[in-house]
Amino acid sequence: EVQLVESGGGLVQPGRSLRLSCAASGLAFDNYAMHWVRQAPGKGLEWVSGISWNSGNIGYADSVKGRFTISRDNARNSLYLQLHSLRAEDTALYYCATQDYWGQGTLVTVSS
Amino acid sequence: DIQMTQSPSSLSASVGDRVTITCRASPGIRSDLSWYQQKPGKAPKRLIYAASTLQSGVPSRFSGSGSGTEFTLTISSLQPEDFATYYCLQHNSYPYTFGQGTKLEIK
Repeated sequence: EVQLVESGGGLVQPGRSLRLSCAASGLAFDNYAMHWVRQAPGKGLEWVSGISWNSGNIGYADSVKGRFTISRDNARNSLYLQLHSLRAEDTALYYCATQDYWGQGTLVTVSS
Repeated sequence: DIQMTQSPSSLSASVGDRVTITCRASPGIRSDLSWYQQKPGKAPKRLIYAASTLQSGVPSRFSGSGSGTEFTLTISSLQPEDFATYYCLQHNSYPYTFGQGTKLEIK
């Protein structure tokens, strides 16, 4: 059974940083491009960032470019998202996903 | 960047109805489009990939069509469990983009 388990969310003040992690199991992790997708409360889905299997191709949404950094460790079957300069509008449930498999999300709340 | 325009934003229908949701891409994205269903409090579930290929385990009442700039998701005969929010996703090039979503409600 494929499992993607996100962690690292929480309450953080504006301007601060946070690191999200996603632990993958039940799939050949190094065969998959991986993504972070977020959903603000009561809003739609927003693709945040993606990374190819070998980290050779990386992309970001315009809303997070320059503030967020995606990375992966294939030896640890793990995906990461480093969030800097957080804003209130970054408040959302952050999902780790392949295009087919999704985690249950980790909630990031940016508030003073 | 590729812009995705999804319509309608909401739709009221009855069990047994046929419904169609549309996504338009600008510029074109070949067939690099997926459709997702999301129910409240749950992660999205992929229904269709490559514009028209049914995900394994998804009922055959769901179908997708289109290529280039216009895509449709059709549910041929609505079932009670189909009332949810639907999103398209273009994965032709970074940054990927979702449509705005279509909330399908019971009439």
